[in-house]
Amino acid sequence: DTAVSQTPKYLVTQMGNDKSIKCEQNLGHDTMYWYKQDSKKFLKIMFSYNNKELIINETVPNRFSPKSPDKAHLNLHINSLELGDSAVYFCASSQGSGTGYEQYFGPGTRLTVT
Amino acid sequence: GQQVMQIPQYQHVQEGEDFTTYCNSSTTLSNIQWYKQRPGGHPVFLIQLVKSGEVKKQKRLTFQFGEAKKNSSLHITATQTTDVGTYFCAGPEAGGTSYGKLTFGQGTILTVHP
Repeated sequence: DTAVSQTPKYLVTQMGNDKSIKCEQNLGHDTMYWYKQDSKKFLKIMFSYNNKELIINETVPNRFSPKSPDKAHLNLHINSLELGDSAVYFCASSQGSGTGYEQYFGPGTRLTVT
Repeated sequence: GQQVMQIPQYQHVQEGEDFTTYCNSSTTLSNIQWYKQRPGGHPVFLIQLVKSGEVKKQKRLTFQFGEAKKNSSLHITATQTTDVGTYFCAGPEAGGTSYGKLTFGQGTILTVHP
């Protein structure tokens, strides 16, 4: 009974390629997030959706485009991959979009750009 | 923008020793959350503190929220090898519409030697 799942778990690709990461949550949560964790384990929010509506859009290159087809799914598409995009990408969800909700993280997708 | 700093960055202890990590925010927080990430794993929610001066305990873990709601600490008594991992504090900035945006500290990586 995986609460927040991501595919793929590992992604190795070359510079310039386009790739997508998919995320699904079965918790019935309204809000979903994408985080990037770099090699120093720094965890930074990228995007957040609440009921399919984009509510947080941090300073992220426009090569990154999130899409939420429904409130249980949040995908991340990355165009023209660069070496600096190598990181672990975590999807997360929370019951609501307010400040008091705990976040449930997926297992992560380790992206390696060569 | 809001900054959340954690110290120390690394902590090596012998099993049975105590451990403390400190978290400081540049702005007042509406609440503070703590997460634990095991090596190779994903962040897992531990606890949330909301009130000024609040102290909560979970078995050997004691969490405190500062009176000014700008700092927090996590103390582990008599560490065990199962405590190994990275401990993150995270908080939304008080006031405004942060839409659940959590700013994470850079984490404290705890190593426990048996």
